[in-house]
Amino acid sequence: QKEVEQNSGPLSVPEGAIASLNCTYSDRGSQSFFWYRQYSGKSPELIMSIYSNGDKEDGRFTAQLNKASQYVSLLIRDSQPSDSATYLCAVNVRYNFNKFYFGSGTKLNVKP
Amino acid sequence: DAGVIQSPRHEVTEMGQEVTLRCKPISGHDYLFWYRQTMMRGLELLIYFNNNVPIDDSGMPEDRFSAKMPNASFSTLKIQPSEPRDSAVYFCASSEIRTAGNEQFFGPGTRLTVL
Repeated sequence: QKEVEQNSGPLSVPEGAIASLNCTYSDRGSQSFFWYRQYSGKSPELIMSIYSNGDKEDGRFTAQLNKASQYVSLLIRDSQPSDSATYLCAVNVRYNFNKFYFGSGTKLNVKP
Repeated sequence: DAGVIQSPRHEVTEMGQEVTLRCKPISGHDYLFWYRQTMMRGLELLIYFNNNVPIDDSGMPEDRFSAKMPNASFSTLKIQPSEPRDSAVYFCASSEIRTAGNEQFFGPGTRLTVL
């Protein structure tokens, strides 16, 4: 079992719709959770971090964390073609020498 | 801050040659990570350092790979001898432990092609 699981996609949504990206993790000791966006040919860019159960909103982005279900999600409202990228979920396990685990990423296509 | 700096941005070499990739982390960050990314295997953690000391090198694929961090502002990843299957994008990232969290920030990457 991988430490972080994501659906590889592609996930296709029309412009203006809500895109929902999901991620599950295996280590219950995970403490910090991150979403990175990676455009083709570029490096991963941090877009959201979340540390406690519930929702965290930043502009059009909302991260949701449910530690009991070991589930993290990212909602993108009013999706734009410029949101088309691969989204990587990452978790950090501080007790395990501050290890980071990345999912394989979900490719999002926003169609005009 | 300038962010994580990597050099070179592109490297093309022939099989058997030595390759050295360089990284300068964000000033003040005490963790440094080396990753490799390919279409087939995704983003793989190779090795990471805390305060210049290697913590976990279990992701280093073979003895041909080695990494050093002689000081807080510089790290190298060396491949000797290089092979075509080493072709990938190599990322360096850094982070700092804070009470609120410890986001990791990536450099622009080095695209390595081994012919």
